[in-house]
This record gives sequence, structure tokens and C-alpha cells, in this order.
Amino acid sequence: SAVISQKPSRDICQRGTSLTIQCQVDSQVTMMFWYRQQPGQSLTLIATANQGSEATYESGFVIDKFPISRPNLTFSTLTVSNMSPEDSSIYLCSVGLAKNIQYFGAGTRLSVL
Amino acid sequence: GESVGLHLPTLSVQEGDNSIINCAYSNSASDYFIWYKQESGKGPQFIIDIRSNMDKRQGQRVTVLLNKTVKHLSLQIAATQPGDSAVYFCAEWGGGGATNKLIFGTGTLLAVQP
Repeated sequence: SAVISQKPSRDICQRGTSLTIQCQVDSQVTMMFWYRQQPGQSLTLIATANQGSEATYESGFVIDKFPISRPNLTFSTLTVSNMSPEDSSIYLCSVGLAKNIQYFGAGTRLSVL
Repeated sequence: GESVGLHLPTLSVQEGDNSIINCAYSNSASDYFIWYKQESGKGPQFIIDIRSNMDKRQGQRVTVLLNKTVKHLSLQIAATQPGDSAVYFCAEWGGGGATNKLIFGTGTLLAVQP
């Protein structure tokens, strides 16, 4: 397994601002992912964070809204840009250690007013 | 912390009973099927997985059954304990063009009554 730290654990933000979420892993990993979990719902993959190249976004998510950085094999950031109340959600990072198994951070609980 | 189970199907069981959580999946080409447990305020935690060429796999107090004919997956928890209370998600991995991606199901809230 891996120890995954996410910061911040929660935040309350104003409409129109941006928030950057950090994900730190205690070991080098190839695969890192970002998910969104809206209240009472399942997890939806936002993008795969690729080290040394641009992230791969899923349908419905775009780089301008959710820019991602992956400067090395232990760290990634997700920015939620120009926030609206609809962006209120839990944002989770995960790492893939085995091909079919991902380990998740505790999540960032975002409320946008 | 907040609840992630506000709109999810709920299974209520008595402590000590066995629990069976069901999941229907969509992609018959998926290579693996995985169960995750998410407690309130935490991220999902891996429980157990099963490869598509198997129909049963057992872990500690948990058993996963896979029925590919009807695209059905179940998680059985023996002697359910209060600490098992959580939301349980099934997920599919691999298959076709969806390699390296986990596709999560809707989730089930397991409520264990003392």
C-alpha cells in the first residue's frame, strides 16, 4: 500500500476563486489519478496525472477548469478554477500500485459559496 | 464528517448477521472487479478484487462472487460488525479501451444495527 496525503482536507471558497489541492505520496508511483465525488454519489474520474506530460482528461472535464500538475513521481496538484457552487464536492487523489488496485487519499471537501 | 450515503441504496443488518451487497456491472470485457469500502469522512479503501476468469474469491471475513452470465458481482461479509458500517462501491477495471481506469458503481450504504 501507500500513504497518501491530501491538502487541504476541507475548504470553503468564494465563487470565482480558484483552489489548488495537493497530493503527496510516500513512494514513487507511475499512475496518479484525480476523482470527484459529489454528495451522496459515486466517484467520477477527472483525469490521469502523467509525470512529465499533460494530464489525460475524461469526457466532461477540461484542462482550463481543472489544471493538473505532476512534477515528479510522488506529487501532483489539481486546481479547481473559477469556482461556482456546482463545484462543491469531494476531490480525491489516488495512486495505482498494482495494475487494477488504486489507493486513495482522504479527500478534500470543497464548499463554494 | 459529512455522509457520502445521502442518496444511496441502504442495506440494514443486525450485528453478527451476514451481509450481502450486490452490484451490476456494465462492461463484459473488464479484467478485474474490485470492492471498496468508504467510511464517513475518508477516502475509499480497497477490500478485495477478483479477476474476470474466476467466479469466487475469499478474503478475511469477505467473499466476492462473480456471475459473468448476468454481469453481477456480490460482496458477502460474514458476522457483520459495527465497524463494517460504510458505503461499499464495486468498480470495474480494464477491458476494451478503458485500460488503467477504475469505473465505479453507484454504491450501497451498509448500516449495522447493534
